[in-house]
Amino acid sequence: AQSVAQPEDQVNVAEGNPLTVKCTYSVSGNPYLFWYVQYPNRGLQFLLKYITGDNLVKGSYGFEAEFNKSQTSFHLKKPSALVSDSALYFCAVRDNAGTASKLTFGTGTRLQVTL
Amino acid sequence: DSGVTQTPKHLITATGQRVTLRCSPRSGDLSVYWYQQSLDQGLQFLIQYYNGEERAKGNILERFSAQQFPDLHSELNLSSLELGDSALYFCASSTQGYEQYFGPGTRLTVT
Repeated sequence: AQSVAQPEDQVNVAEGNPLTVKCTYSVSGNPYLFWYVQYPNRGLQFLLKYITGDNLVKGSYGFEAEFNKSQTSFHLKKPSALVSDSALYFCAVRDNAGTASKLTFGTGTRLQVTL
Repeated sequence: DSGVTQTPKHLITATGQRVTLRCSPRSGDLSVYWYQQSLDQGLQFLIQYYNGEERAKGNILERFSAQQFPDLHSELNLSSLELGDSALYFCASSTQGYEQYFGPGTRLTVT
């Protein structure tokens, strides 16, 4: 069965510094990977995806993610963090079984950006 | 705004009762997914419908059921509610089966 792991419950970073939120995955076959962000009392917002192609994927709000097949990782990055980036971030992997396309989510990483 | 709408936003009900959560997918999306988010279980996939047909089932209890109607909106029915069913219930939709777009959720509180 597919799975994703987010090893850090919380990441703290100062505004203006680069940020990384870690994610590792386990799938059979080619991985379809996603990052979502959840603000308090809101639904999940899609940030970016990796399906195939370049290992560096660019997404919304200046976020990017680096796909590394040998390390089975898909870390989320941003060159310069903003206080408004503080939220809960989820990594997810898509089920590739036929037309079933459920997402399996990690446990989430809370990002705290301080001044 | 993702374009996915869910009603109601909040629902408070008693144990043993039955509730219905409603979801309207983004225009043109044929797939609808239901997820449950709770503190102890995290985000869990419940069920997927594609153009009116059930396509995948996850950790959905027998007390829960869903359907997708010809106009593509979907309903999630939760019955014989227990305290442990208190959670955020999200609906998501997609068109090509890649990224899913989530609604704002329904917060269910069972007392």
